[in-house]
Amino acid sequence: DAGITQSPRYKITETGRQVTLMCHQTWSHSYMFWYRQDLGHGLRLIYYSAAADITDKGEVPDGYVVSRSKTENFPLTLESATRSQTSVYFCASKQGGFNSPLHFGNGTRLTVT
Amino acid sequence: AQSVAQPEDQVNVAEGNPLTVKCTYSVSGNPYLFWYVQYPNRGLQFLLKYITGDNLVKGSYGFEAEFNKSQTSFHLKKPSALVSDSALYFCAAPDRGSTLGRLYFGRGTQLTVWP
Repeated sequence: DAGITQSPRYKITETGRQVTLMCHQTWSHSYMFWYRQDLGHGLRLIYYSAAADITDKGEVPDGYVVSRSKTENFPLTLESATRSQTSVYFCASKQGGFNSPLHFGNGTRLTVT
Repeated sequence: AQSVAQPEDQVNVAEGNPLTVKCTYSVSGNPYLFWYVQYPNRGLQFLLKYITGDNLVKGSYGFEAEFNKSQTSFHLKKPSALVSDSALYFCAAPDRGSTLGRLYFGRGTQLTVWP
């Protein structure tokens, strides 16, 4: 079925480790986004991409790296994980501009110990 | 700057009663507004959007939202709540300043419908 999938669903890692969260969508949507969801902060945008090889920073990009070599994939890498990056991470995509709805994956719950 | 606010962190309602989840906005120009729902351990799902036209917008699962320009509000409503409507609800508005249209989300309102 078409959709947007994130992997893994759950991840526990240690401080200082590098970890990559995967996101794959089958719609060939142009735009893709990474959000983190934390109690008291709601959803905050980390990075976004308008097309393959085009990425830009959102509200909270520090400590994260993204790439988009293919339209359908948008991995998020934590270069050196910190406890403050413990969160639920959501990938989303959409095809059109500002009046198009976002389609979200089911999230990755990341715990940094 | 675009922003939306959800003044209530929690809303509790009995099954069968009407429900309202509130949202106010502060956007430049004509607003585009969205509602999303999040069930436990799931991503957000699109419910409905207001672009232009009728002030009452109908969406998924029997939900509707009323756009009120004078009160700068976009409240989510349902005539008869179900226990299965219990979830976290987010109001959102896109950044009209770019074609990307990145969304600004409210903090979310936890809706609990008790039997």
